[in-house]
Formats: sequence, structure tokens, C-alpha cells
Amino acid sequence: DGGITQSPKYLFRKEGQNVTLSCEQNLNHDAMYWYRQDPGQGLRLIYYSQIVNDFQKGDIAEGYSVSREKKESFPLTVTSAQKNPTAFYLCASSFEGEQFFGPGTRLTVL
Amino acid sequence: EDQVTQSPEALRLQEGESSSLNCSYTVSGLRGLFWYRQDPGKGPEFLFTLYSAGEEKEKERLKATLTKKESFLHITAPKPEDSATYLCAVQASGTYKYIFGTGTRLKVLA
Repeated sequence: DGGITQSPKYLFRKEGQNVTLSCEQNLNHDAMYWYRQDPGQGLRLIYYSQIVNDFQKGDIAEGYSVSREKKESFPLTVTSAQKNPTAFYLCASSFEGEQFFGPGTRLTVL
Repeated sequence: EDQVTQSPEALRLQEGESSSLNCSYTVSGLRGLFWYRQDPGKGPEFLFTLYSAGEEKEKERLKATLTKKESFLHITAPKPEDSATYLCAVQASGTYKYIFGTGTRLKVLA
């Protein structure tokens, strides 16, 4: 089955720790995205990548980092510099305008 | 500034009671307008893409329409399984970024 996988589904981290969220797609899409979703708010763009080895900051990139070494993979690192990291994180890929989302990772900072 | 506003924030309908959700947008050149359905704790599921004013798309009980300033998602004779949050997003010409509204939470009562 083609699609987008995110792991883990739930993630707990202590304050001051960096954590990496995984995103893998087998749809052969060039563009990939990371969003953050908080209760009562829309999806906010963290980073996006149009092609391998290239990525751009979104609207709320501070405290986050990404890499795009392979077409299939776009991992997101939440660093200790992110002041309020507890949220639902969504990865997506797109083709001809249509975005397809993964199941999400819920990150909780303890 | 590109912006998307959805209304109402929440909507409760009786089963079979048709209604419409609104998505108003301002964008510097519309590349596409997108509707998604999101169930609690899951990633958004793609529903429709609309590209130009006057365009309409249908899928089961859902019909999406587009004008130069807004889009409507019409729900005809809804069922309890249509309960979800419906998200609207736009993509401006010349960009890979998507701008999301905050969504409409729909609850259909049996």
C-alpha cells in the first residue's frame, strides 16, 4: 500500500531533550511538509521541502530542524530551543497540488 | 497577507438535516483550494481540489463549490459518520506553501 508513515504515534520527552520524529513516504512525491496542530488552531507550517537536499522554513521554524537526504524521508527534530513543543505533528507529501497526510505523532513534553 | 477563514467554528446537525460550511479566502493568485476531513487524533484526509471560480466537485453526500472569494462545502442529508472536522486550505500561485483555516467541527446526531 502506498502512503505516508509517521513514527512513533505517541512520544514523551523531558524538557531540554532533543527528539526526532520520523516521516517516510512511498508515493514517489517530490514535495514534503511538516505541520504542527494545536487545539483550536489550524495547521501551521514548520518546514517544507520541494526536492532532495533542499528545504525551506515555514511560518514557525524556530526550534525545529529537518533534513532531506532521501526522497522518501523527511525527519523533523524538535530541539530544546522550542519553547512549547507539546503538540500534534503532521507530515505530508504532495503531487500536483494534492496533499496526503500521515497519521501524525503526538508529542508531549514532561 | 494570504488568509483563510472558516465558519462556523462548530455545527451540530440532526441526521438528514442539510447544511453548508464556509471557507473565505484572500490570496495573491489562487493556485488551488482544498478541502480535507479530519477525524480526532488522525491526519487529514483529502476530499476535493478546486481551481477556478464556478467549479464544483461532488463525492457522496458532499459537494464543494468555489467563487472568487469563498468556497462552500455542502452536506446533503448527513449521517452520524460524517461527524468530523472539515479543513479548508489554499495554495497561492508560484508557491508550494498551503495556508489552512482553523476548521469546522461538525457533529451529526442520530
